Amino acid sequence: DAKTTQPTSMDCAEGRAANLPCNHSTISGNEYVYWYRQIHSQGPQYIIHGLKNNETNEMASLIITEDRKSSTLILPHATLRDTAVYYCIVRVAGGSEKLVFGKGTKLTVNP
Amino acid sequence: GAVVSQHPSRVICKSGTSVKIECRSLDFQATTMFWYRQFPKQSLMLMATSNEGSKATYEQGVEKDKFLINHASLTLSTLTVTSAHPEDSSFYICSARGQLAGGGDEQFFGPGTRLTVL
Repeated sequence: DAKTTQPTSMDCAEGRAANLPCNHSTISGNEYVYWYRQIHSQGPQYIIHGLKNNETNEMASLIITEDRKSSTLILPHATLRDTAVYYCIVRVAGGSEKLVFGKGTKLTVNP
Repeated sequence: GAVVSQHPSRVICKSGTSVKIECRSLDFQATTMFWYRQFPKQSLMLMATSNEGSKATYEQGVEKDKFLINHASLTLSTLTVTSAHPEDSSFYICSARGQLAGGGDEQFFGPGTRLTVL
């Protein structure tokens, strides 16, 4: 069973912030939240990950709630090239645990 | 991020033939490699996990004699689809995990190989 729940699809206007939610209510204390995205007919691309503090890199920001049961990936200024399926995955960092993909959220950025 | 390459990017073959797909980690040593398969409009499904020098561990329902995996070095893994049939047509994606120079241990994906079996 998937450890995360995401909306099936979302739309966003170009230039606006895209906020993608993810629920992971059964997350364990040593599990990180990872985000990947997959642009059509390409391999998944790593975006960001975090444990409990908010994280930011050149691609996105990750906001994790205090109880760690949910998180939000923020693309601050979405572009058409950000149209992709976004996957939220929980796993233990540095371990041998495999990445299991759920259905993800199909984000469509509209002009 | 780290680079993982796959070759070929696209292959068309006749039913009954075997196809080999290569996966290379270009700038780090991959202690573990993963092979995924993705059918149209579906998510990635893990097929198998392989550690360098060891036999691959296959997911339930994946035929190990049909999908041969070799992880001979820390930078190369191969997937051979033996006696391919049209139902094996899919998008095959490899992934590599290992220690990066900056100390991280992340998993990076190749660009995928589109297999079409006629």
